[in-house]
Amino acid sequence: GEDVEQSLFLSVREGDSSVINCTYTDSSSTYLYWYKQEPGAGLQLLTYIFSNMDMKQDQRLTVLLNKKDKHLSLRIADTQTGDSAIYFCAESRRFGAGTRLTVKP
Amino acid sequence: NAGVTQTPKFQVLKTGQSMTLQCAQDMNHNSMYWYRQDPGMGLRLIYYSASEGTTDKGEVPNGYNVSRSTTEDFPLRLLSAAPSQTSVYFCASSYTQGKQYFGPGTRLTVT
Repeated sequence: GEDVEQSLFLSVREGDSSVINCTYTDSSSTYLYWYKQEPGAGLQLLTYIFSNMDMKQDQRLTVLLNKKDKHLSLRIADTQTGDSAIYFCAESRRFGAGTRLTVKP
Repeated sequence: NAGVTQTPKFQVLKTGQSMTLQCAQDMNHNSMYWYRQDPGMGLRLIYYSASEGTTDKGEVPNGYNVSRSTTEDFPLRLLSAAPSQTSVYFCASSYTQGKQYFGPGTRLTVT
């Protein structure tokens, strides 16, 4: 069946770049999304990319989309402790399991 | 705009009890969703509604029921609670295939 997969954990030092990767199987989605979940809260949309784009930059966030390989990544530049959260990759109604990003001072 | 609201925030049920989780949105979104979040499993879709009057099953619909009699409301009913339904439940809404707006969640424990 259709699936969205991402690694479960990532740990980086404050000031480094973080890269969270995601693979998906359904190529029919118009948009692909990244959501952020902070402890005890719901999910908030972080950014999204239209399926016919290769890259989207939004301040410290860069989304890369490789449609051929069905691979999506989220890069956070100059990662801060406030970026510690769970990040979900999603296409339409399907979500990955979430990557828990830990930022060490 | 309040966005997406969910009640209650916390609930404890005994096995076999029934209850309804409430969800409302004030953004005039046509689509609404119910997910459950379990550790290490991300969000799994329980039911969704593409428009008022329509509902469709998601990945894990067993033991739940929904209705969409208004654009604003999308209640989720647990018919006979089981410990396996202990989870955090999120409601969301969107325009068709658009970005989803999530409620704050309901933490349900079934003993």
